[in-house]
Amino acid sequence: QSILTQPPSVSGAPGQRVTISCTGSSSNLGAGYDVNWYQQLPGAAPRLLISDNSNRPSGVPDRFSGSKSGTSASLAITGLQADDEADYYCQSYDSSLSTSIFGGGTKLTVV
Amino acid sequence: QVQLQESGPGLVKPSETLSLTCGVSGFSISSGYFWGWVRQSPGKGLEWIGGIHHSGKTDHNSSLKSRVTLSVDTSRNQVSLTLRSVTAADTAVYYCVRDGSGAYDFWGQGRLVTVSS
Repeated sequence: QSILTQPPSVSGAPGQRVTISCTGSSSNLGAGYDVNWYQQLPGAAPRLLISDNSNRPSGVPDRFSGSKSGTSASLAITGLQADDEADYYCQSYDSSLSTSIFGGGTKLTVV
Repeated sequence: QVQLQESGPGLVKPSETLSLTCGVSGFSISSGYFWGWVRQSPGKGLEWIGGIHHSGKTDHNSSLKSRVTLSVDTSRNQVSLTLRSVTAADTAVYYCVRDGSGAYDFWGQGRLVTVSS
């Protein structure tokens, strides 16, 4: 079981908005550590989608946005497209474990 | 453009040692950043293994620390991972990453390593 908890799956229709949650604790997100988000398309390596809670690296569409509050963080995707179908992972640092940690991942299906 | 490429054996016998190398192009390791490894077991999530700076400073996942050695070769612009005493649980795709202050901003394509006799 991952230290950062994500829903196993979410779905949405093309054009809709979906959110993916990432819930941590007082030793990671609640301690002020930033959260990063990654997108992993089928058969591909993950790629950085959101860094430092809400920053989009160059080349990431502004349809993707991130936020963090307390022990939780969220990734929002607006204007859902078929090629957004992928696994999404949150990642942060845990001071109790003294290690970088990932969420268990969320599979996004565009129905 | 920064590019990372993992290389090494795709099959390792149980109890033996897994060794992978990550060649970096488009950026000099000596210029900074930590360079790390993340693995993904088949059908599973991501697990951070550890990272190394060109100065030799390392950081490890405590659950793997006793079996992991990280090294850097600035002359070849590459980093290496050694994982000892492997078991079937170490079967995974191993990714090389650049650690941009806690966010992994560049990834290699990954190398599948299977532990089997």
